[in-house]
Amino acid sequence: QSVLTQPPSVSAAPGQKVTISCSGSSSDIGSNYISWYHQLPGTAPKLLIYENNKRPSGIPDRFSGSKSGTSATLGITGLQTGDEAHYYCGTWDSSLTAYVFGTGTKVTVL
Amino acid sequence: QVQLVESGGGVVQPGRSLRLSCVASEITFSTHGMHWVRQAPGKGLEWVAVIWPDGSNKYYADSVKGRFTISRDNSKNTLYLQMSSLRAEDTAVYYCARNTGNHYFDYWGQGTLVTVSS
Repeated sequence: QSVLTQPPSVSAAPGQKVTISCSGSSSDIGSNYISWYHQLPGTAPKLLIYENNKRPSGIPDRFSGSKSGTSATLGITGLQTGDEAHYYCGTWDSSLTAYVFGTGTKVTVL
Repeated sequence: QVQLVESGGGVVQPGRSLRLSCVASEITFSTHGMHWVRQAPGKGLEWVAVIWPDGSNKYYADSVKGRFTISRDNSKNTLYLQMSSLRAEDTAVYYCARNTGNHYFDYWGQGTLVTVSS
């Protein structure tokens, strides 16, 4: 089963900005909406961004999402220590009739 | 309180079977697709299976196809995962998640740990 490609890790100082890329193909990101999840250690994943760029209630506007072609990007501005977590992108693959997750990115606040 | 609660995890020998359950409380269940997602120790998220709201369609990851069966009972707001012929590589925390709109998961359970070991 294919997966979406993310960088293993990104880091920045508090207050700075990080971006996380998510690369896929025409049958997954290229054909469907992308969503993003973050996961704190020992807890369940939590929805961060849905339908490419929408934020659920309670998610601050420091988090943003975008999509172009077969790639997507999550941006986090004003980085805080509480943002240290693993981040995953995900979408439906119309060819595989399966959901696919990204490989995951660990965000570290320096 | 809005929640999904999984149960049924535990230690099981290779080749044996186990059934997981996920009960939905205070959220709409019967009109949403439901997924199982797992996470092996120290690893990323892996999608396992999905079932349509009325149970009419079910899809599985290649890694579990033919061994796992997803089902649901809308009268009980409960999702199931019947796992058979378990392997060491099935060891993971199993999460249930509710599908909403265009294939995103708005609610997740807390997870239940399945350990396959002799």
